[in-house]
Amino acid sequence: AQSVTQPDIHITVSEGASLELRCNYSYGATPYLFWYVQSPGQGLQLLLKYFSGDTLVQGIKGFEAEFKRSQSSFNLRKPSVHWSDAAEYFCAVHTGFQKLVFGTGTRLLVSP
Amino acid sequence: EADIYQTPRYLVIGTGKKITLECSQTMGHDKMYWYQQDPGMELHLIHYSYGVNSTEKGDLSSESTVSRIRTEHFPLTLESARPSHTSQYLCASSEFASTGELFFGEGSRLTVL
Repeated sequence: AQSVTQPDIHITVSEGASLELRCNYSYGATPYLFWYVQSPGQGLQLLLKYFSGDTLVQGIKGFEAEFKRSQSSFNLRKPSVHWSDAAEYFCAVHTGFQKLVFGTGTRLLVSP
Repeated sequence: EADIYQTPRYLVIGTGKKITLECSQTMGHDKMYWYQQDPGMELHLIHYSYGVNSTEKGDLSSESTVSRIRTEHFPLTLESARPSHTSQYLCASSEFASTGELFFGEGSRLTVL
């Protein structure tokens, strides 16, 4: 069955430091992969997506993610974190049955 | 900017009450979804719709029901709420040809006492 694993429940990063959030997926075919962000009290917003082609994809708010087929990973990165990036981040895989399978999320805390 | 609205944002009710969570979108999207979100858990799809008069159950079994009489409207109903229904419910929509790009509402947080 398709699944997404986000091994880090919480991550704390100092403002201005770099960030990497981990995501591993299990899917038999070529995956469509996504990162969504949920700010407190808000719904989810799409950050970026990978369908095919270049394995390094750029998203909104300065985020990027790299697809590594050999590691079944799609890690999210940002070179310099801002306090407004504090939120919950969800990795997701599209299963091909018109559905998204989400991970359990990683809560990012940004310290001054 | 996505235009998808959920009401109420917060609801506290007693056991046995009937409730309807409203979801409306103004983007003309054919597909709509309801997800259930609990802390520390992945989002679970409970209902989805491909268009008017189309409704399907999702991966997580739910006692709720949905209807899709108009393209823009996808309400979720619980005939008799129980404490186990306490959760956050997220509505989302997408274009018919979309492969995972969903637009989410802000959610409805339901507490059943």
